[in-house]
Amino acid sequence: EAQVTQNPRYLITVTGKKLTVTCSQNMNHEYMSWYRQDPGLGLRQIYYSMNVEVTDKGDVPEGYKVSRKEKRNFPLILESPSPNQTSLYFCASSSSPGLHYEQYFGPGTRLTVT
Amino acid sequence: GENVEQHPSTLSVQEGDSAVIKCTYSDSASNYFPWYKQELGKRPQLIIDIRSNVGEKKDQRIAVTLNKTAKHFSLHITETQPEDSAVYFCAASRGGGSNYKLTFGKGTLLTVNP
Repeated sequence: EAQVTQNPRYLITVTGKKLTVTCSQNMNHEYMSWYRQDPGLGLRQIYYSMNVEVTDKGDVPEGYKVSRKEKRNFPLILESPSPNQTSLYFCASSSSPGLHYEQYFGPGTRLTVT
Repeated sequence: GENVEQHPSTLSVQEGDSAVIKCTYSDSASNYFPWYKQELGKRPQLIIDIRSNVGEKKDQRIAVTLNKTAKHFSLHITETQPEDSAVYFCAASRGGGSNYKLTFGKGTLLTVNP
């Protein structure tokens, strides 16, 4: 089954404790992206990757890191989480983004930073 | 960068009525405009999209119109049903080349009353 998976689905952590949210897709998609969703603010892009070893900032990259060492994986790293990073996070992937194909979203990761 | 404004933020209609959601964008170079539907607790999913070389696109009960001159696009849902109740997001992108950023509106909560 073609899908985008994220782990963990739920995470409660404390300020300053480094964490990684994993994202994996099995559709051989070149493009992957991370979004955060907050009430009243919609979906905001954090980082995206056009292909392996190619990443770029989205609209809200501060406090986040990403890496794209393999085509299928695109982990989101919070080196020192803060309460304002409490949010619902979505990973998405797409083939040939330059040609405007659908983005497939993962199930989401609900992160709470206390 | 691109800015997408979406209105209204909430919309309540009676079953069988039509619903219209409007979005404006700021970047005249944007050329791809998808609409995503997010049911409660679920991931966003593409329902329809339109490219800048087309003025209107229909898919059964949903349609999207695009006015490039005015830089706005709209989602039209006819004969609404309770299962249409969800949050709808518009988005805009210029795509192509080495840059691909998808900017979302803040969303519209559509409630279809039986």
